Parts: sequence; C-alpha cells; structure tokens
Amino acid sequence: DADVTQTPRNRITKTGKRIMLECSQTKGHDRMYWYRQDPGLGLRLIYYSFDVKDINKGEISDGYSVSRQAQAKFSLSLESAIPNQTALYFCATSEGWNTDTQYFGPGTRLTVL
Amino acid sequence: DAKTTQPPSMDCAEGRAANLPCNHSTISGNEYVYWYRQIHSQGPQYIIHGLKNNETNEMASLIITEDRKSSTLILPHATLRDTAVYYCIVRVDNQFYFGTGTSLTVIP
Repeated sequence: DADVTQTPRNRITKTGKRIMLECSQTKGHDRMYWYRQDPGLGLRLIYYSFDVKDINKGEISDGYSVSRQAQAKFSLSLESAIPNQTALYFCATSEGWNTDTQYFGPGTRLTVL
Repeated sequence: DAKTTQPPSMDCAEGRAANLPCNHSTISGNEYVYWYRQIHSQGPQYIIHGLKNNETNEMASLIITEDRKSSTLILPHATLRDTAVYYCIVRVDNQFYFGTGTSLTVIP
C-alpha cells in the first residue's frame, strides 16, 4: 500500500463549487504539505502543517484553506472554485528531523469549468 | 526571485552518465540542496540531498561546489526509465522552492 494517498485522483467541477481534496499518510510523519503544479512549471507550496495544531501559509495560499484532522490526515479546500485553480495538486509528508526530506502522494488532477 | 536555475532540457545516451547542473547562488550556509525527479505527472520522487560534502546513494551522486553556489546531479549509467523532469530544490524558511526543472531525455 502507498504511504501517502490522495482522494480523489481526478475531479471535474464547476465554478463556484466547494471542493475538498484529502490526503492520508501511514508514514507516521508529523509534517504535511499541499502543493499545486501548473503545466510546465514546478510545484508551489499552498499550505503546510508541522503538527495538528500548527498550520502555516505557503507561497500561494489565497483561495484555499486547510484542515489537519489528525496526524495522518490533511485536507485542502477550495471554498469557491475558479477556473485558474485548475491544476495538479500534490500532498507531501516529512518527518521533520534534520534534513526534512519530503515524500509525495500520487496527485489529484482538478479541473474547474 | 528564482532560488535555483537549471537548463530546461538535456539529452543523454543510454548507458552514459547524465550530469545535470544547478545554480543556487543565494543559498545560505545551513540550507540543504535536494534533488527530486518527476516522471510524467506522478508525484515527485526523492533522489538525494546534500549540504557541503559530495553525496552518493544507490540512485545518484551529488557534487556540490566548495562555495555552495552550484551543484551537479550525476546519474552514472542512465537508462530509458530515467527520462523525467529533474528538480533542484533549496529549502528556505521550512519551504521547498521548486524551479522549472530540467527535462532529461535518455536516448536509446
């Protein structure tokens, strides 16, 4: 079984709808992250969480919110989706020690019409 | 400002060494350099990381210049399965900064 899972893997929605993307991990890591990737570009950080009570904004947090329900679960919400939020979304985890290497999930492809 | 700069694309013959350069001239003294790769649109895969010394693992070698302003990822014997986009990343204030990466194509 995969260590970092994301649901759904693909989603098509309409402008103005509320969308939630979910991430679960079995690695036992304290730190979790949400990134988005636009075509031809690298990943950009949306939000990150170092533990259940610690949530931080990343480079591009506007239009997004997150919830850390447990150590193993971190959800990303789009309160009112817009077309320029069409992208590939990745969740990642890290253990927070020393070098803090991140491990990524398989991604969610979101299309907002 | 870009934290890292990489060539957009490179080719490498199968079986040969692939040397992927990266400039990170603004890196601070305690910031690690990480390398990841992404095959198609899959989640990025960790390759290697380093601070000052050269590093080697089962996947690759990482050579960091003495001034730490640049590094080179070496895949010693490239295979077709190494075709991917390779990202050189610097972590600043707990955030990973991805550039646009180098698209490596391994040619038979």
